[in-house]
Amino acid sequence: AAGVIQSPRHLIKEKRETATLKCYPIPRHDTVYWYQQGPGQDPQFLISFYEKMQSDKGSIPDRFSAQQFSDYHSELNMSSLELGDSALYFCASSRQVTGANVLTFGAGSRLTVL
Amino acid sequence: SQELEQSPQSLIVQEGKNLTINCTSSKTLYGLYWYKQKYGEGLIFLMMLQKGGEEKSHEKITAKLDEKKQQSSLHITASQPSHAGIYLCGADPGNQFYFGTGTSLTVIP
Repeated sequence: AAGVIQSPRHLIKEKRETATLKCYPIPRHDTVYWYQQGPGQDPQFLISFYEKMQSDKGSIPDRFSAQQFSDYHSELNMSSLELGDSALYFCASSRQVTGANVLTFGAGSRLTVL
Repeated sequence: SQELEQSPQSLIVQEGKNLTINCTSSKTLYGLYWYKQKYGEGLIFLMMLQKGGEEKSHEKITAKLDEKKQQSSLHITASQPSHAGIYLCGADPGNQFYFGTGTSLTVIP
């Protein structure tokens, strides 16, 4: 069965550089979520999209932006990278069903900022 | 916003022992999800509970949602090294999906 695909799996950048992470949700899933997980921390919600429109925003820095494209894939753009941005970035997708919202997660993209 | 507090934060058990992880919500839960994460990897969905008093089992893992729907417990029977990882409860009050604070489980062979 198709899963959530994230790329790249690993990324190394320097401070003040820009990074872009990509997420390909499960086919027919209508919602995409982005999470940031720092070392030893639980995943923190960044932003979500429902049917290509931003549906909710969490603790996403202004330096970050995201969008969902017509083919439902999503990209997280991070600019002016800081050391504290080093983290695992997860994308998840779900198909909204009344009363249930099971998220399927990708394997994550590990960003290291030097 | 909804807050999910998990206890204990970390757990070290001998293989074969039973253990319980708790998840307490600051608000009524309308759906409680349990995920497992192996260190540095993605999150794997374990099970979902929706009704007060509901209990679900999968292999040696049982999860319950209390009647008042503000607490859930995850019980592992006869733990194995393969159970090691981080267990996260999650809730979806709207367009966001919140995670609990996480419980790190180590199983010593």
